[in-house]
Amino acid sequence: GAGVSQSPSNKVTEKGKDVELRCDPISGHTALYWYRQSLGQGLEFLIYFQGNSAPDKSGLPSDRFSAERTGGSVSTLTIQRTQQEDSAVYLCASSLTPQGYTDTQYFGPGTRLTVL
Amino acid sequence: DQQVKQNSPSLSVQEGRISILNCDYTNSMFDYFLWYKKYPAEGPTFLISISSIKDKNEDGRFTVFLNKSAKHLSLHIVPSQPGDSAVYFCAASGRYNFNKFYFGSGTKLNVKP
Repeated sequence: GAGVSQSPSNKVTEKGKDVELRCDPISGHTALYWYRQSLGQGLEFLIYFQGNSAPDKSGLPSDRFSAERTGGSVSTLTIQRTQQEDSAVYLCASSLTPQGYTDTQYFGPGTRLTVL
Repeated sequence: DQQVKQNSPSLSVQEGRISILNCDYTNSMFDYFLWYKKYPAEGPTFLISISSIKDKNEDGRFTVFLNKSAKHLSLHIVPSQPGDSAVYFCAASGRYNFNKFYFGSGTKLNVKP
Protein backbone atom coordinates (compact mmCIF):
# COMPACT_ATOMS: atom_id res chain seq x y z
CA GLY A 1 0.00 0.00 0.00
CA ALA A 2 0.97 3.65 -0.28
CA GLY A 3 3.24 5.04 2.36
CA VAL A 4 3.40 8.54 3.78
CA SER A 5 3.87 11.09 1.03
CA GLN A 6 5.09 14.65 1.31
CA SER A 7 5.13 17.53 -1.13
CA PRO A 8 7.05 19.28 -2.41
CA SER A 9 10.20 17.21 -2.09
CA ASN A 10 12.29 20.37 -2.33
CA LYS A 11 11.38 24.00 -1.72
CA VAL A 12 13.61 27.01 -2.18
CA THR A 13 12.21 30.29 -0.97
CA GLU A 14 13.33 33.77 -0.14
CA LYS A 15 13.60 35.07 3.37
CA GLY A 16 10.32 36.61 4.48
CA LYS A 17 8.08 34.51 2.25
CA ASP A 18 5.47 32.07 3.55
CA VAL A 19 5.66 28.36 2.70
CA GLU A 20 3.25 25.45 2.97
CA LEU A 21 4.39 21.87 3.29
CA ARG A 22 1.97 19.02 2.77
CA CYS A 23 1.75 15.55 4.27
CA ASP A 24 -0.51 12.69 3.20
CA PRO A 25 -0.45 10.04 5.92
CA ILE A 26 -1.13 6.36 5.44
CA SER A 27 -4.86 5.79 5.07
CA GLY A 28 -6.45 4.90 8.40
CA HIS A 29 -3.61 6.20 10.53
CA THR A 30 -5.04 8.38 13.27
CA ALA A 31 -1.81 9.90 14.55
CA LEU A 32 0.32 12.35 12.57
CA TYR A 33 3.63 13.94 13.54
CA TRP A 34 5.79 16.70 12.11
CA TYR A 35 9.53 16.81 12.75
CA ARG A 36 12.37 18.81 11.34
CA GLN A 37 15.99 17.88 10.93
CA SER A 38 18.50 20.67 10.68
CA LEU A 39 21.96 19.98 9.31
CA GLY A 40 23.92 17.73 11.68
CA GLN A 41 21.06 17.53 14.15
CA GLY A 42 18.60 14.87 15.17
CA LEU A 43 14.91 14.96 14.45
CA GLU A 44 13.19 17.73 16.37
CA PHE A 45 9.56 17.17 17.33
CA LEU A 46 7.27 19.95 16.11
CA ILE A 47 3.62 18.95 16.46
CA TYR A 48 1.41 15.89 16.96
CA PHE A 49 -2.19 15.28 15.86
CA GLN A 50 -4.35 12.48 17.18
CA GLY A 51 -7.82 12.08 15.73
CA ASN A 52 -10.06 14.98 16.65
CA SER A 53 -8.14 15.88 19.79
CA ALA A 54 -6.39 19.20 20.19
CA PRO A 55 -2.88 18.90 18.73
CA ASP A 56 0.23 18.87 20.86
CA LYS A 57 1.99 22.01 19.60
CA SER A 58 4.67 22.05 22.25
CA GLY A 59 7.50 21.59 19.74
CA LEU A 60 6.70 24.48 17.42
CA PRO A 61 9.71 26.84 17.65
CA SER A 62 7.81 30.10 17.17
CA ASP A 63 4.41 31.53 16.33
CA ARG A 64 5.51 31.71 12.69
CA PHE A 65 4.91 27.96 12.57
CA SER A 66 1.44 26.49 12.41
CA ALA A 67 -0.11 23.26 11.25
CA GLU A 68 -3.53 21.91 10.57
CA ARG A 69 -4.97 18.56 9.76
CA THR A 70 -8.14 18.55 7.72
CA GLY A 71 -10.65 15.74 8.02
CA GLY A 72 -8.27 13.72 10.13
CA SER A 73 -6.12 13.02 7.10
CA VAL A 74 -3.97 15.45 5.14
CA SER A 75 -1.85 17.90 7.12
CA THR A 76 -0.27 21.19 6.13
CA LEU A 77 2.64 22.79 7.95
CA THR A 78 2.83 26.54 7.33
CA ILE A 79 5.87 28.69 8.03
CA GLN A 80 5.24 32.40 7.81
CA ARG A 81 7.92 35.01 7.14
CA THR A 82 10.58 32.34 6.68
CA GLN A 83 14.04 32.88 8.12
CA GLN A 84 17.33 31.29 7.07
CA GLU A 85 17.39 29.24 10.28
CA ASP A 86 14.17 27.55 9.11
CA SER A 87 16.21 25.74 6.45
CA ALA A 88 15.94 22.04 7.24
CA VAL A 89 14.34 18.79 6.15
CA TYR A 90 10.76 18.64 7.39
CA LEU A 91 9.56 15.10 8.02
CA CYS A 92 6.04 13.86 8.52
CA ALA A 93 5.15 10.55 10.13
CA SER A 94 1.91 8.74 10.81
CA SER A 95 0.96 5.85 13.05
CA LEU A 96 -2.06 3.65 13.43
CA THR A 97 -2.81 4.32 17.08
CA PRO A 98 -1.56 6.61 19.83
CA GLN A 99 -0.37 3.65 21.84
CA GLY A 100 3.20 4.80 21.90
CA TYR A 101 4.67 1.74 23.50
CA THR A 102 3.80 -0.59 20.67
CA ASP A 103 3.31 1.91 17.93
CA THR A 104 5.45 2.37 14.87
CA GLN A 105 5.77 5.69 13.13
CA TYR A 106 6.00 5.55 9.37
CA PHE A 107 7.92 8.44 7.91
CA GLY A 108 7.58 10.22 4.62
CA PRO A 109 10.65 11.11 2.55
CA GLY A 110 10.64 14.69 3.81
CA THR A 111 10.60 18.16 2.29
CA ARG A 112 13.95 19.89 2.05
CA LEU A 113 13.38 23.60 2.68
CA THR A 114 16.04 26.11 1.77
CA VAL A 115 15.55 29.73 2.74
CA LEU A 116 17.84 32.09 0.85
CA ASP B 1 18.77 20.80 25.45
CA GLN B 2 19.47 17.45 23.85
CA GLN B 3 18.00 14.72 25.97
CA VAL B 4 19.12 11.95 23.62
CA LYS B 5 22.71 11.93 22.42
CA GLN B 6 24.61 9.91 19.88
CA ASN B 7 28.20 10.95 20.35
CA SER B 8 29.65 9.10 17.38
CA PRO B 9 28.67 10.80 14.13
CA SER B 10 30.12 7.95 12.08
CA LEU B 11 31.26 4.35 12.32
CA SER B 12 33.05 2.16 9.80
CA VAL B 13 32.95 -1.63 10.07
CA GLN B 14 34.10 -4.52 7.91
CA GLU B 15 31.43 -6.76 6.42
CA GLY B 16 30.73 -9.76 8.65
CA ARG B 17 31.91 -8.06 11.83
CA ILE B 18 29.81 -6.59 14.60
CA SER B 19 28.55 -3.00 14.48
CA ILE B 20 27.84 -1.35 17.82
CA LEU B 21 25.99 1.94 17.84
CA ASN B 22 25.62 3.81 21.11
CA CYS B 23 23.08 6.20 22.51
CA ASP B 24 22.87 8.05 25.84
CA TYR B 25 19.92 9.81 27.39
CA THR B 26 19.51 12.19 30.29
CA ASN B 27 15.82 12.02 31.19
CA SER B 28 15.09 9.29 33.73
CA MET B 29 11.38 9.46 32.79
CA PHE B 30 12.10 7.91 29.39
CA ASP B 31 10.86 4.35 29.33
CA TYR B 32 10.51 3.44 25.67
CA PHE B 33 13.36 3.46 23.19
CA LEU B 34 13.56 2.93 19.47
CA TRP B 35 16.12 2.68 16.71
CA TYR B 36 15.44 3.97 13.22
CA LYS B 37 17.46 3.51 10.07
CA LYS B 38 17.61 6.13 7.36
CA TYR B 39 18.85 5.88 3.79
CA PRO B 40 19.61 9.04 1.80
CA ALA B 41 16.54 10.82 0.40
CA GLU B 42 14.22 8.55 2.35
CA GLY B 43 12.41 8.93 5.66
CA PRO B 44 13.58 6.96 8.69
CA THR B 45 12.24 3.43 9.01
CA PHE B 46 11.62 1.69 12.30
CA LEU B 47 14.15 -0.98 13.17
CA ILE B 48 13.74 -2.21 16.73
CA SER B 49 12.44 -1.01 20.08
CA ILE B 50 12.78 -1.79 23.76
CA SER B 51 10.78 -0.84 26.82
CA SER B 52 12.35 -0.14 30.17
CA ILE B 53 11.05 -3.37 31.68
CA LYS B 54 13.59 -5.22 29.55
CA ASP B 55 17.33 -4.95 29.17
CA LYS B 56 17.59 -6.72 25.83
CA ASN B 57 15.50 -7.17 22.71
CA GLU B 58 16.56 -9.20 19.72
CA ASP B 59 15.28 -9.31 16.16
CA GLY B 60 17.35 -11.33 13.75
CA ARG B 61 20.74 -9.69 13.30
CA PHE B 62 19.71 -6.70 15.42
CA THR B 63 19.86 -6.57 19.20
CA VAL B 64 19.22 -3.58 21.41
CA PHE B 65 20.61 -3.44 24.93
CA LEU B 66 19.34 -1.07 27.60
CA ASN B 67 21.30 -0.10 30.71
CA LYS B 68 18.90 2.00 32.75
CA SER B 69 21.33 2.80 35.53
CA ALA B 70 23.79 4.23 33.00
CA LYS B 71 21.02 5.74 30.86
CA HIS B 72 22.60 4.07 27.89
CA LEU B 73 21.40 1.92 25.05
CA SER B 74 23.21 0.27 22.21
CA LEU B 75 22.33 -1.39 18.95
CA HIS B 76 24.33 -4.41 17.87
CA ILE B 77 24.27 -5.63 14.29
CA VAL B 78 25.77 -9.08 13.73
CA PRO B 79 26.94 -9.87 11.14
CA SER B 80 27.11 -6.48 9.48
CA GLN B 81 26.24 -6.32 5.79
CA PRO B 82 26.93 -3.60 3.21
CA GLY B 83 23.16 -2.98 2.97
CA ASP B 84 23.24 -1.92 6.60
CA SER B 85 25.13 1.22 5.59
CA ALA B 86 22.79 4.04 6.62
CA VAL B 87 22.26 6.63 9.31
CA TYR B 88 20.91 5.19 12.56
CA PHE B 89 18.87 7.29 14.97
CA CYS B 90 17.92 6.37 18.49
CA ALA B 91 14.77 7.86 19.99
CA ALA B 92 13.10 7.88 23.37
CA SER B 93 9.73 8.70 24.87
CA GLY B 94 8.35 8.88 28.40
CA ARG B 95 5.33 7.42 30.07
CA TYR B 96 3.72 10.80 30.71
CA ASN B 97 4.07 12.02 27.15
CA PHE B 98 4.43 8.90 25.09
CA ASN B 99 3.56 10.57 21.80
CA LYS B 100 6.52 12.93 22.01
CA PHE B 101 9.72 11.33 20.81
CA TYR B 102 13.20 12.73 21.31
CA PHE B 103 15.76 11.77 18.71
CA GLY B 104 19.52 11.66 18.72
CA SER B 105 21.57 13.28 15.97
CA GLY B 106 22.30 9.98 14.26
CA THR B 107 25.32 7.79 13.55
CA LYS B 108 26.33 7.12 9.98
CA LEU B 109 27.33 3.47 9.61
CA ASN B 110 29.50 2.39 6.72
CA VAL B 111 29.90 -1.36 6.24
CA LYS B 112 32.82 -2.07 3.94
CA PRO B 113 32.68 -5.12 1.66
